[in-house]
Amino acid sequence: EAAVTQSPRNKVAVTGGKVTLSCNQTNNHNNMYWYRQDTGHGLRLIHYSYGAGSTEKGDIPDGYKASRPSQENFSLILELATPSQTSVYFCASGDANYAEQFFGPGTRLTVL
Amino acid sequence: AQRVTQVQPTGSSQWGEEVTLDCSYETSEYFYRIFWYRQLFSGEMVFLIYQPSFDTQNQRSGRYSVVFQKSFKSISLVISASQPEDSGTYFCALSELIMGYKLTFGTGTSLLVDP
Repeated sequence: EAAVTQSPRNKVAVTGGKVTLSCNQTNNHNNMYWYRQDTGHGLRLIHYSYGAGSTEKGDIPDGYKASRPSQENFSLILELATPSQTSVYFCASGDANYAEQFFGPGTRLTVL
Repeated sequence: AQRVTQVQPTGSSQWGEEVTLDCSYETSEYFYRIFWYRQLFSGEMVFLIYQPSFDTQNQRSGRYSVVFQKSFKSISLVISASQPEDSGTYFCALSELIMGYKLTFGTGTSLLVDP
């Protein structure tokens, strides 16, 4: 039933390694988003997408890439992970026709 | 530039009391929406209510309502008859017609409702 799912839910990575976080939505929403949540900052937008093939930079894109191969899937890619990227990452989907964004359960990433 | 401020990092309430959580924001847009989400202890983000800027009526949804003061760029979430299950962190978020309707979040207010 969950409309936005994320995998993995937890990830431990090493500094300099490549990390891919995946998100899948069954809402058929055009827009998808990646946020990170850190203590004292709320959620901040990393990348977003208007649809398949589209990726756009959000407010804090440095060190991250995104990929939207289909309407349903949106990935966040850390080519060279750093300890400063240790955080909880949330994917969300939304549409101009709907008010709220729908969030996934989050992925806790630890970079050692 | 967009900014959302929640000055109350924590709050508390007794079962059955009314709770008010405050939020202020900055925007240069005419059309925008203010959202309230609750984050459960599991981390799940739950949508509660939203207020469109063009609507002068304060929105209501079940036990949730807002007090929207557009000229002051402030909005409060009011929870009536609070319950222990309402405990969690409450986020105010601004949505504008830019960046795909992205959300700009405040830092949240952690609410504890005592039984």
